[in-house]
Amino acid sequence: GAVVSQHPSRVICKSGTSVKIECRSLDFQATTMFWYRQFPKKSLMLMATSNEGSKATYEQGVEKDKFLINHASLTLSTLTVTSAHPEDSSFYICSAIPSGSTPYEQYFGPGTRLTVT
Amino acid sequence: AQKVTQAQTEISVVEKEDVTLDCVYETRDTTYYLFWYKQPPSGELVFLIRRNSFDEQNEISGRYSWNFQKSTSSFNFTITASQVVDSAVYFCALSEFNSGYSTLTFGKGTMLLVSP
Repeated sequence: GAVVSQHPSRVICKSGTSVKIECRSLDFQATTMFWYRQFPKKSLMLMATSNEGSKATYEQGVEKDKFLINHASLTLSTLTVTSAHPEDSSFYICSAIPSGSTPYEQYFGPGTRLTVT
Repeated sequence: AQKVTQAQTEISVVEKEDVTLDCVYETRDTTYYLFWYKQPPSGELVFLIRRNSFDEQNEISGRYSWNFQKSTSSFNFTITASQVVDSAVYFCALSEFNSGYSTLTFGKGTMLLVSP
């Protein structure tokens, strides 16, 4: 149980275009989901906390207009990278906390590798 | 502010050697959780262990063992008789409870290379 999927697993897009990444909790509902970013050979950095039905909470330094997060249902959060540029190329990982579970249980998705050319 | 330090950037060992990955943390919370994750080249994070701040008992799971020392704010991870499949980046993480949910702060990771 507690499986989180991400789609797509890899995406290549041209500079200036937007790309949407989906994060789904497959066998549980998640009121809270998180989005992380990982540069090559670096650590995971929390970008934002996504709460179902409300606005996302962004970490300091993360542009909310650039990284649009929508958590429209209890099983789906989306991250849209708008007007992508090569510096947005990164590995994006989402995680989810099952509704009603302890707040320390986070289940991670397999990640999405974004390359902007 | 909380912080997780993994001072070892990269460790290389030969198969069957034992290896310890260090993790030191800082937090003002009295209740917190510590985690270890494995990230193989595929990129997917593999959960290894979660330990709460009130449980200082060491844990062993097969070839893996963890040593939690609150006095030194350390949560070290030992792999006994390492294998090539253990090669990966290992992350230590600390949770902070905030507004009803926890956020994770990751260390920079230690890349473990196990050669045959």
